[in-house]
Amino acid sequence: QLQLQESGPGLVKPSETLSLTCTVSGDSISSSSYYWGWIRQPPGKGLEWIGTFYYSGSTYYNPSLKSRVTISVDTSKNQFSLRLTSVTAADTALYYCARRTIAGHRLDHWGQGTLVTVSS
Amino acid sequence: QSALTQPASVSGSPGQSITISCTGTSSDVGNYDLVSWYQQHPSEAPKLMIYEGSKRPSGVSNRFSGSKSGNTASLIISGLQAEDEADYYCCSYAGSSTLVFGGGTKLTVL
Repeated sequence: QLQLQESGPGLVKPSETLSLTCTVSGDSISSSSYYWGWIRQPPGKGLEWIGTFYYSGSTYYNPSLKSRVTISVDTSKNQFSLRLTSVTAADTALYYCARRTIAGHRLDHWGQGTLVTVSS
Repeated sequence: QSALTQPASVSGSPGQSITISCTGTSSDVGNYDLVSWYQQHPSEAPKLMIYEGSKRPSGVSNRFSGSKSGNTASLIISGLQAEDEADYYCCSYAGSSTLVFGGGTKLTVL
């Protein structure tokens, strides 16, 4: 059974870097059939797609966040990570990792999400 | 890349049918048959309900259906039930492996 689990600090100071990890069990992030990526949801607001990577090494980011976002992969641990630099209060959100199908681009499995608060 | 437009809220009585619209542009909804819909109950992760515009994943009730006309996709829920009360989000492929979400619609079952 596929499971995704987000982890990382729940509190980050303004101007610093947010770092989260998604640990995947039940599937390989090196699969050629899927993308893996991040989505966020500010409290009481809607979903925002952050970015995605493919096992080949390709990464794709939301244009509005592209200058601050990096998604990296550790295939030995079956994990992928999110780095978001120069954070502000507007980056406070529930951060989800999810699997996305190559065919159809649907997000078919999600983690439970982890809340990150940006505050001094 | 702008968010897709959804109504903030819709409501219906048990047994009725409701439709949630999702309007994009010719660069996303109108250019691809790749709209998916997600249901989110409070404090839960989103759940895939419809993909590729009108396909249902295994286990999703056939009361949920989807369609598209031009730049607007729609989610239709028939035979409304109390458990359908949730937030619903559309999401479209927008080219170059990017995705764009709608702002979300709160469904209230009266």
